[in-house]
Amino acid sequence: QKEVEQNSGPLSVPEGAIASLNCTYSDRVSQSFFWYRQYSGKSPELIMSIYSNGDKEDGRFTAQLNKASQYVSLLIRDSQPSDSATYLCAVIYSGNTPLVFGKGTRLSVIA
Amino acid sequence: DAGVIQSPRHEVTEMGQEVTLRCKPISGHNSLFWYRQTMMRGLELLIYFNNNVPIDDSGMPEDRFSAKMPNASFSTLKIQPSEPRDSAVYFCASSPTTGDQPQHFGDGTRLSIL
Repeated sequence: QKEVEQNSGPLSVPEGAIASLNCTYSDRVSQSFFWYRQYSGKSPELIMSIYSNGDKEDGRFTAQLNKASQYVSLLIRDSQPSDSATYLCAVIYSGNTPLVFGKGTRLSVIA
Repeated sequence: DAGVIQSPRHEVTEMGQEVTLRCKPISGHNSLFWYRQTMMRGLELLIYFNNNVPIDDSGMPEDRFSAKMPNASFSTLKIQPSEPRDSAVYFCASSPTTGDQPQHFGDGTRLSIL
């Protein structure tokens, strides 16, 4: 059973702080990793993708991948109240199979 | 570019009625996915298609659920007869291919079965 695990939260951080969201997955052969943001009542929106070990930065967002430890994380620097949402981690375990989603971590940025 | 288009956005109907949800994927995307999202179970994959062919429908909860993709630009998810426990948000998503590519989601259909 392919699984993606996330802490459901809520994770509360003050405005301006770094928010750290973590995700673990169950299969070492996983290839592709994605972070989606979902505002309440809206659809998931892709914000980051990462395919190789290390860090990938895009604006205030940094995705970190460690395949040996089977975890992927998302750091949000200078958190803003507008970052308050549920963040979904998604993994493609092998080519030509669909994404497996975690249940998401709810982030609340307090002004 | 137009994204994934779903209709209707909201549907309220009585138990026992047939419900049909519609989806138009992004042009050029060969893979289409139907999801159901609830607070308890999160985002569940119901079925997905590659090049209009159903590949895996193991997530379809019961025979009351069926999905079709008659052409590359249209898919339907049908529930007949509907039950209150089918109430959820149903998302359609598409991607260029299945592997290594993220999916892009439509706005969803919020379904309430009374």
